[in-house]
Amino acid sequence: SQQGEEDPQALSIQEGENATMNCSYKTSINNLQWYRQNSGRGLVHLILIRSNEREKHSGRLRVTLDTSKKSSSLLITASRAADTASYFCATEGTSGSRLTFGEGTQLTVNP
Amino acid sequence: DVKVTQSSRYLVKRTGEKVFLECVQDMDHENMFWYRQDPGLGLRLIYFSYDVKMKEKGDIPEGYSVSREKKERFSLILESASTNQTSMYLCASSFEGTGANTIYFGEGSWLTVV
Repeated sequence: SQQGEEDPQALSIQEGENATMNCSYKTSINNLQWYRQNSGRGLVHLILIRSNEREKHSGRLRVTLDTSKKSSSLLITASRAADTASYFCATEGTSGSRLTFGEGTQLTVNP
Repeated sequence: DVKVTQSSRYLVKRTGEKVFLECVQDMDHENMFWYRQDPGLGLRLIYFSYDVKMKEKGDIPEGYSVSREKKERFSLILESASTNQTSMYLCASSFEGTGANTIYFGEGSWLTVV
């Protein structure tokens, strides 16, 4: 069953703008992770935020987690054309190491 | 760097054929996974394995089986391929542990069943 749901499904912005993607989930989690997928390729891990953390940064990425609302957001600042990809959130439930993925947000950054 | 290698990038098979998708990881990970990815459905877990010779069903195991005879290798088997199994298949691996299991993916295998 799908745990995470990303919003929006698709996002198109200009280079230099910020991109924000949201993820909602249904059940308690150990952590939430964001992955990136270039067209036709495998997924690459971007960042992990644990359930006791509220915000995390990695380079131009900023992730927030609100466990009371069961939601997370991924912010990419100063976007580049190379950021064009699909972005997935994945949740690890409290019962084990299995990740459940959402359907992804397709981000297009126009040069 | 962790490397997860899927042996076939593109395959075309006929309905009813037995299909093997092979996956090898080089980081001594305990966990290995097979997902399929379809437009509008995201990634769905087919099977996973926590140890050699061990397997557990994921969300959509029907029509598939798996084999893990060695720690580094996890095979997905389509016993009798059908057209609705046309999809992209992703293998992944991770360490066993609590609280922070990052998954490493292969590049994917595009399977077309005609």
